[in-house]
Amino acid sequence: RKEVEQDPGPFNVPEGATVAFNCTYSNSASQSFFWYRQDCRKEPKLLMSVYSSGNEDGRFTAQLNRASQYISLLIRDSKLSDSATYLCVVTPNAGGTSYGKLTFGQGTILTVHP
Amino acid sequence: DAGVIQSPRHEVTEMGQEVTLRCKPISGHNSLFWYRQTMMRGLELLIYFNNNVPIDDSGMPEDRFSAKMPNASFSTLKIQPSEPRDSAVYFCASSLGGDTGELFFGEGSRLTVL
Repeated sequence: RKEVEQDPGPFNVPEGATVAFNCTYSNSASQSFFWYRQDCRKEPKLLMSVYSSGNEDGRFTAQLNRASQYISLLIRDSKLSDSATYLCVVTPNAGGTSYGKLTFGQGTILTVHP
Repeated sequence: DAGVIQSPRHEVTEMGQEVTLRCKPISGHNSLFWYRQTMMRGLELLIYFNNNVPIDDSGMPEDRFSAKMPNASFSTLKIQPSEPRDSAVYFCASSLGGDTGELFFGEGSRLTVL
């Protein structure tokens, strides 16, 4: 079983739609969770962290369910510029230090069309 | 400030040739990571360093792969001999080393082995 699993999509949605991505992780000891965004033929970049209580950043909402080992990302009022691959990311270790090591899911492809 | 700098951006080589990829991390960052990205396997961590010391190289696929970090501002990933299945985008990333979740990626080196 992969450490981080995502639905690869692709998701094709019209502008203004709300879209949600899900992710599960296998290591119950994982400590920290993130969403990264990767544009076509570019490098991944941090989109937002995911906190236990859930958190929002503008049109983006991230949720974490530790009991189910499940992470989600909700995008409201989607824009053409949201078209990208969204990567679910976890730190693999609990306790000690991981030196910033991250484990990435394979990503979910989103295309927003006019 | 300059980001993570990788070279070459593109390399096309023939099977059996030696390939050397180079990375200059962000000044002040003390963790450096080499990832490989393919359509089939997504982003895979190959090796990472903290304060120039290799911490975990369990992701290095075979003895044909080696990585060094002779000083805080330079790292290399070498493949010798290269094979067609090594074709991928190789990303170098650096971070401050804590669990902030923010890795800063270079633009990647796109390797094609014929």
